[in-house]
Amino acid sequence: AQSVTQLDSQVPVFEEAPVELRCNYSSSVSVYLFWYVQYPNQGLQLLLKYLSGSTLVKGINGFEAEFNKSQTSFHLRKPSVHISDTAEYFCAVTDNQAGTALIFGKGTTLSVSS
Amino acid sequence: GAVVSQHPSRVICKSGTSVKIECRSLDFQATTMFWYRQFPKQSLMLMATSNEGSKATYEQGVEKDKFLINHASLTLSTLTVTSAHPEDSSFYICSARGHTGELFFGEGSRLTVL
Repeated sequence: AQSVTQLDSQVPVFEEAPVELRCNYSSSVSVYLFWYVQYPNQGLQLLLKYLSGSTLVKGINGFEAEFNKSQTSFHLRKPSVHISDTAEYFCAVTDNQAGTALIFGKGTTLSVSS
Repeated sequence: GAVVSQHPSRVICKSGTSVKIECRSLDFQATTMFWYRQFPKQSLMLMATSNEGSKATYEQGVEKDKFLINHASLTLSTLTVTSAHPEDSSFYICSARGHTGELFFGEGSRLTVL
C-alpha cells in the first residue's frame, strides 16, 4: 500500500524567508503526488500535483515541488513566504487507479511570523 | 473549477442521536466519492469509498454500522453517524472524483457531540 511521510510536523519561518516542506513516499510502479493546503476549519485546496512529465511542478501562490524518483521525494518549496501562507500543508499520493483514494501524510504546520 | 459542497458545515448534537452529512458535486457527476475523518491537528484518515449504486467500501477499523454511507445518485453521497457519541466528534471531509480523474474536496463538516 502507498504511504507518505512528512518529515516535519512544524516549520516556523520568518516572513520573506524561503521554505521547504519535505515529503517522502513509498516506492511504487506508478505514483501520482499532490500537495494540499488547509486553512483553519476549512477543506483542502490543491496547491500542485505531479502526474507525469517535468519533474519540477509549479503550483498556485508561488509554490513549486520537485519529483525525485531516486530519492522517492516530493518536497514543496517557496522562495519567499508571506504571513498568509500560515496553514497546514498535506502531501498525498495515489496510484491513480480508478476508484483509488488519496493517502495523506500527517501534515506540516507552516507558521510564518514577521 | 469543479465544486463539491458539504452540508452542514457545522453541527452540534446530543449523544445518542444520528447526524447526516451531505456531499454534493455541484457541476459534475461523481461515480466515486471518498469520506475522510480528521481529528484536531492530525491528518485526514480515509474512512470509506462510496460508489454510486453500490455498497460503500470501508477501511479497516471503520464501523460500517456506525458510519452509514449512501451514494444514491451521481451527485450526492451522504454520511450518517448513527447513535453519535462524544468520541465521534471530528471534522469530516468528502471528496469526489471528476471525469478527468482529479479529486475535488468539500469544505468539511465539523461534528460536535455533547
